[in-house]
Amino acid sequence: GESVGLHLPTLSVQEGDNSIINCAYSNSASDYFIWYKQESGKGPQFIIDIRSNMDKRQGQRVTVLLNKTVKHLSLQIAATQPGDSAVYFCAENRWTGGGNKLTFGTGTQLKVEL
Amino acid sequence: DVKVTQSSRYLVKRTGEKVFLECVQDMDHENMFWYRQDPGLGLRLIYFSYDVKMKEKGDIPEGYSVSREKKERFSLILESASTNQTSMYLCASSTSGRRHGYTFGSGTRLTVV
Repeated sequence: GESVGLHLPTLSVQEGDNSIINCAYSNSASDYFIWYKQESGKGPQFIIDIRSNMDKRQGQRVTVLLNKTVKHLSLQIAATQPGDSAVYFCAENRWTGGGNKLTFGTGTQLKVEL
Repeated sequence: DVKVTQSSRYLVKRTGEKVFLECVQDMDHENMFWYRQDPGLGLRLIYFSYDVKMKEKGDIPEGYSVSREKKERFSLILESASTNQTSMYLCASSTSGRRHGYTFGSGTRLTVV
């Protein structure tokens, strides 16, 4: 069956360092992969997405890498800041004919140490 | 600026009660979703709707039902609340079309005692 999982439940980094959050997926039919950030007491917020026909996409301080060969997705955050502390979810999107459907991973807690 | 509103942030109900969780979006989105979020399990899809009066079961629909009488409102119903339904419930909406991520509400923390 399909699954979206994260390798590490908690990641601690020093302020200013780069962070890398990993995600494995198993459904080759997914057409988009999306990263969400969830701060305490809030709903998940869209960070960045990548189409399945791309390998890399960059945003502001964030880069998403997609390796379809090994079905692996990663989110890189440059110069991590205290405000980056949150739970990060990867999600895979599939078009079901009626609309989009997202399947989420279990999440990684990112802790930024001063 | 708020796009998806969930009526309650915290809710405490007794076992056996009928519980209504309300979600309203003001973005004219066609698609709406209900997830529950539990530690270590991530977000799991309960029900979703791609149009008014339309609903489809997600991955864990047992013990829940939904109602979508108007485009902007999607209600989650716990017919007879049980303690294993204690969780964070998240509503989301999205546009139609092949692509998009969701806009989430802030969640409702439901405790069933």
